[in-house]
Amino acid sequence: RKEVEQDPGPFNVPEGATVAFNCTYSNSASQSFFWYRQDCRKEPKLLMSVYSSGNEDGRFTAQLNRASQYISLLIRDSKLSDSATYLCVVTAMDTGRRALTFGSGTRLQVQP
Amino acid sequence: NAGVTQTPKFQVLKTGQSMTLQCAQDMNHNSMYWYRQDPGMGLRLIYYSASEGTTDKGEVPNGYNVSRLNKREFSLRLESAAPSQTSVYFCASSLSGRETQYFGPGTRLLVL
Repeated sequence: RKEVEQDPGPFNVPEGATVAFNCTYSNSASQSFFWYRQDCRKEPKLLMSVYSSGNEDGRFTAQLNRASQYISLLIRDSKLSDSATYLCVVTAMDTGRRALTFGSGTRLQVQP
Repeated sequence: NAGVTQTPKFQVLKTGQSMTLQCAQDMNHNSMYWYRQDPGMGLRLIYYSASEGTTDKGEVPNGYNVSRLNKREFSLRLESAAPSQTSVYFCASSLSGRETQYFGPGTRLLVL
């Protein structure tokens, strides 16, 4: 079983739609959680951190469920520019080092 | 402020050839990382350097060596390239091991 699992998609949605992605993780000692965005043939960039109480940044909302070991990302009012791959990232301490584990990503395609 | 830069952007090698991938950051970050990204696999950590003068193995170190030349630069060397090393290589840096990582634009490597 992968440490961090994501549905690869693609999720094809029309402009203005609301779309949600989930990500599950297997290490119960995981401490920090993030969503990164990666455009085609580009580097990953931090989209947002995920806090235990949930957090929102404009049209984006992230939630964490520690009991079920999953995090989610909700995108409201989808724009064409939201088309990208969204990477779930989970961290845990590993021999004193903060180790990041990346999911393989969920691809979103927003259509006009 | 260029952030994280990588050279070359593209490279084609024959099996058995050697090469060094260069990475530099101008953000005065202490920690630097090398990842490889393969389809369906997510990013996997090859080596990291928590601070100048230290390097440690990540998840997939075999076939690679690294040098933390100074605080700014962290290079990745393939001594004898193999087709299995065909991948996209990303360098990243963070202020410390506990902070958000910033990625370079990547190096696309094809080993024939």
